[in-house]
Amino acid sequence: QKEVEQNSGPLSVPEGAIASLNCTYSDRGSQSFFWYRQYSGKSPELIMFIYSNGDKEDGRFTAQLNKASQYVSLLIRDSQPSDSATYLCAVERSSGYSTLTFGKGTMLLVSP
Amino acid sequence: GAVVSQHPSRVICKSGTSVKIECRSLDFQATTMFWYRQFPKQSLMLMATSNEGSKATYEQGVEKDKFLINHASLTLSTLTVTSAHPEDSSFYICSAYRDPKAFFGQGTRLTVV
Repeated sequence: QKEVEQNSGPLSVPEGAIASLNCTYSDRGSQSFFWYRQYSGKSPELIMFIYSNGDKEDGRFTAQLNKASQYVSLLIRDSQPSDSATYLCAVERSSGYSTLTFGKGTMLLVSP
Repeated sequence: GAVVSQHPSRVICKSGTSVKIECRSLDFQATTMFWYRQFPKQSLMLMATSNEGSKATYEQGVEKDKFLINHASLTLSTLTVTSAHPEDSSFYICSAYRDPKAFFGQGTRLTVV
């Protein structure tokens, strides 16, 4: 069974610090990777997606992908209290059809 | 951007009754929609893939006769929880794919009493 693993946390960082969220996956054929943010009781919202090895930056967010290590991460610079949420790593199945497998998520707490 | 609308956002029903949840893609056509279920402090678990004009594809362990999915148009998929029981109480979320991203509905909090 294809799996996506994340540390459940909580990961606590002070305001202004860099938060680093990590994810590993087992489906070696996966090509597309996504990070979603989910506030309590709300639906997930897309933060970033990445397809190629290396880094992809969007504002305060940087996604990093290493397909050889089956590892994807999300860095949040200048963390804000409003970033406090659960971050879900999602991996598109190698079978395609746009089907995502989600990790259990990492809870991030940013303290003022 | 693309918007997926889900209705209702909350529903409380009696055990043994059925509940229908609607998922609409508001500004794009979605040939494929996905239905997820999320229990407290757990991740989203894919229940089924809904394909317009054909039968849904269910994940292993999901009862197709209990969770009826209809995707009659390119903008609407429905999930009906039949003969609901308290253990079906959960957060149900739909998703529609518009290359290269999946967009999520607001979710439906189902409570079966």
